Amino acid sequence: SQQGEEDPQALSIQEGENATMNCSYKTSINNLQWYRQNSGRGLVHLILIRSNEREKHSGRLRVTLDTSKKSSSLLITASRAADTASYFCATAGGGFKTIFGAGTRLFVKA
Amino acid sequence: DGGITQSPKYLFRKEGQNVTLSCEQNLNHDAMYWYRQDPGQGLRLIYYSQIVNDFQKGDIAEGYSVSREKKESFPLTVTSAQKNPTAFYLCASNPPGLHGNTIYFGEGSWLTVV
Repeated sequence: SQQGEEDPQALSIQEGENATMNCSYKTSINNLQWYRQNSGRGLVHLILIRSNEREKHSGRLRVTLDTSKKSSSLLITASRAADTASYFCATAGGGFKTIFGAGTRLFVKA
Repeated sequence: DGGITQSPKYLFRKEGQNVTLSCEQNLNHDAMYWYRQDPGQGLRLIYYSQIVNDFQKGDIAEGYSVSREKKESFPLTVTSAQKNPTAFYLCASNPPGLHGNTIYFGEGSWLTVV
């Protein structure tokens, strides 16, 4: 069962613009993670935000978490063509399983 | 350097055949996972293992089997009972922890039924 739902499903922007992706989830969580997947490759971990955190930064990435709305957003600033990939949110609640959403496909045009 | 190795990268299966996908990790992680990804879709959990000689069914275990005889290895067998096996398969691992830890992925294996 999928818990996280990303929005939009696909996003096309020009190089240099900012890209914002959203994730909504249904149950309580311990943390939320964002992953990146280049076409035909494995997923790579980008950032983890814990349920008691509201915002986290890593380089050009900014993640926010609103547990009252059960939502998170990933902002990529000053996008580059190399940022073209699919981005997934993943939630970990009490227990063992981490559940992935369906992903947002980002296209950054040079 | 440490990581997860999946093989083969591409595999073709004839109708009625069983095939096995290999997954080896040298990260010393206790937990290992197999996910299935269909084109343009998210990941669905097939099986997971928290410790050697123990594994649990995920959300879509029917038609698949696994073993965990060694900490480093978690092979996935796609049996003939899996009616629609064409997909991208991802193996992953992470260190133990009840609250969710970073998951490390292999590069994936493409399986196609011919």
